[in-house]
Amino acid sequence: NAGVTQTPKFQVLKTGQSMTLQCAQDMNHEYMSWYRQDPGMGLRLIHYSVGAGITDQGEVPNGYNVSRSTTEDFPLRLLSAAPSQTSVYFCASSHTASGGSRTDTQYFGPGTRLTVL
Amino acid sequence: SQQGEEDPQALSIQEGENATMNCSYKTSINNLQWYRQNSGRGLVHLILIRSNEREKHSGRLRVTLDTSKKSSSLLITASRAADTASYFCATPPQTGANNLFFGTGTRLTVIP
Repeated sequence: NAGVTQTPKFQVLKTGQSMTLQCAQDMNHEYMSWYRQDPGMGLRLIHYSVGAGITDQGEVPNGYNVSRSTTEDFPLRLLSAAPSQTSVYFCASSHTASGGSRTDTQYFGPGTRLTVL
Repeated sequence: SQQGEEDPQALSIQEGENATMNCSYKTSINNLQWYRQNSGRGLVHLILIRSNEREKHSGRLRVTLDTSKKSSSLLITASRAADTASYFCATPPQTGANNLFFGTGTRLTVIP
């Protein structure tokens, strides 16, 4: 299994440009999510999905859009990039969609480092 | 808002010493998880402790959980230079989706 893959690894955008960060997992996981990581702030949840066709907002969803047309893929779209979106973005997945599990953990991709000028 | 807070924010020790990191969280939990992040990499799951467990071991890792104080600690024994990384605690909610709430992390440096 490749696990969770993300592309691209690095990206530089100009303010106002749009782009899509790709995320795929081959573990047949129900749950997928996107986090952003900024210095000194830990990871913050942007959007998540508990299954194909179902998405919802996390803590910091503004300026981002997601879709989940298949179990495997969960792309993150930046609609009009702003310098405040300069960050490292991580995709994660888990077998269980519910937070009630006592044993489930999450698998993370390697990240996309995005710079918006 | 973030669920957990790690303490200390940064820790520097000599190789062979033990490293202890602490985590506090705010709400009731079913489990608490610790992750490691090497510089420039994604997070890797280290260990999960369930709410009905008080202590758990995995190799050189020892995790404790005190649900009455809403706190956990991660002990790395006989540290190695390869343990240099950031360590995060994370908790999922008891209900709803499996969204992890992360602390701000402890940056551990092990000096050879």
